[in-house]
Amino acid sequence: AQSVTQLDSQVPVFEEAPVELRCNYSSSVSVYLFWYVQYPNQGLQLLLKYLSGSTLVKGINGFEAEFNKSQTSFHLRKPSVHISDTAEYFCAVSANTGRRALTFGSGTRLQVQP
Amino acid sequence: DAGVIQSPRHEVTEMGQEVTLRCKPISGHDYLFWYRQTMMRGLELLIYFNNNVPIDDSGMPEDRFSAKMPNASFSTLKIQPSEPRDSAVYFCASSLGGGPNGYTFGSGTRLTVV
Repeated sequence: AQSVTQLDSQVPVFEEAPVELRCNYSSSVSVYLFWYVQYPNQGLQLLLKYLSGSTLVKGINGFEAEFNKSQTSFHLRKPSVHISDTAEYFCAVSANTGRRALTFGSGTRLQVQP
Repeated sequence: DAGVIQSPRHEVTEMGQEVTLRCKPISGHDYLFWYRQTMMRGLELLIYFNNNVPIDDSGMPEDRFSAKMPNASFSTLKIQPSEPRDSAVYFCASSLGGGPNGYTFGSGTRLTVV
C-alpha cells in the first residue's frame, strides 16, 4: 500500500514570492506521483505528474515538481505566485503496477496575499 | 467533451432517507472512481471500477453504501439509510488506463444529511 504525507496544512505567501509545497510518500513498489489543485467548490484538476524519466516535471500554470527517490519526496514549486493560485493542493501516489487507484495526501491550502 | 458529469450538485436529505448520486464518465475511459471528501478525513477512495466491474470496494464505509456501474457511461452511489455522518462532498472521477494518465474529476455532489 502507498501513503502520502503533506507536511504543511496551510502555506501563506505574498504575491510574486516563490513557494514550495512539500510532499513525501511511502511505498514498497515503484510509483507514479501527481499534484492536483482544487479551487473552491470545484473538483480536482491535474497540475502535473511524474511517471518516469526526468525527475523535474513541469505542469500547468507555471508549476513544477521534482521527484527525489532517495528522499521519497515530490515537492511542488512555483517561482512567482499570483493571487489566482490560491487553492488547495493535493499530492497523490499510485503504484505503477496492479492496483491503479490514487492515494491522496491531506492537502495544503496555499493562501496568496497581496 | 463535457468532462465527468455528476448529479445532483447539491443534495439535502433527512436522516434515514435513501440518497442516490449519479456519475457519467468521459466516453472511452475504462476506470471509474468514487471518492468522498471531508474536512476530517480528506479524500477517501470508496470504490473503483474497471470496464464496469468493481475492483476494490474496501473503502466503502459499511453496508449502507452500494455502488453500481451498469454500463460504461453511467454509475451510481447509493446510501440507504443515510446518516448525518455521511455529509460530505462525493466526487466521481474517470481515467483511461488508471494511474498513469491521472484522473478527470467531476464537480462533486455536496451531500447534507440533517
